[in-house]
Amino acid sequence: DTAVSQTPKYLVTQMGNDKSIKCEQNLGHDTMYWYKQDSKKFLKIMFSYNNKELIINETVPNRFSPKSPDKAHLNLHINSLELGDSAVYFCASSHLAGANVLTFGAGSRLTVL
Amino acid sequence: TQLLEQSPQFLSIQEGENLTVYCNSSSVFSSLQWYRQEPGEGPVLLVTVVTGGEVKKLKRLTFQFGDARKDSSLHITAAQPGDTGLYLCGAGIQGAQKLVFGQGTRLTINP
Repeated sequence: DTAVSQTPKYLVTQMGNDKSIKCEQNLGHDTMYWYKQDSKKFLKIMFSYNNKELIINETVPNRFSPKSPDKAHLNLHINSLELGDSAVYFCASSHLAGANVLTFGAGSRLTVL
Repeated sequence: TQLLEQSPQFLSIQEGENLTVYCNSSSVFSSLQWYRQEPGEGPVLLVTVVTGGEVKKLKRLTFQFGDARKDSSLHITAAQPGDTGLYLCGAGIQGAQKLVFGQGTRLTINP
């Protein structure tokens, strides 16, 4: 009965590879997000989708491409991985866009070697 | 530049002590939320405050939203080891459709 689930939880890969992280929510929320948490625990928004449409793109490199096949799913694909991409990526959802309460997934720790 | 400044960034105290952590900004927010994050998990909502001057209590935790809706504090009474974690404040920016976070306060309560 997990509300927001992300896979994989851990991902270790070489520089230059392409990888994806998947996210699904069963809360019936309309808005989904990707946040990046760096080694200093700073949580920064990357993307936001509302009903499958992109509403926020926070100057993220275009190597990052989110895809939302339906409002319950928001996947993150990363091309040509770089060392600086190493972080924990959190998927979240909320009932409405904006400053609503966020329900987070457990995170996906990406390590680029 | 950080929109939300949390202080202190690190706090380690003994069980039974009281503590206060702060979340400050020069911007006015439509709402402010406090989350707690444990290792290996995502942040979990503790409380949302929306009205200037609002005070909310959650057992031993007291949350306050500043009168001008620019700052907030979290006070913990008689801290317990189970309170250990990363406390994040998140604020809704008026006119924008997103929640931004402070850098967090890492709290350690020693038995």
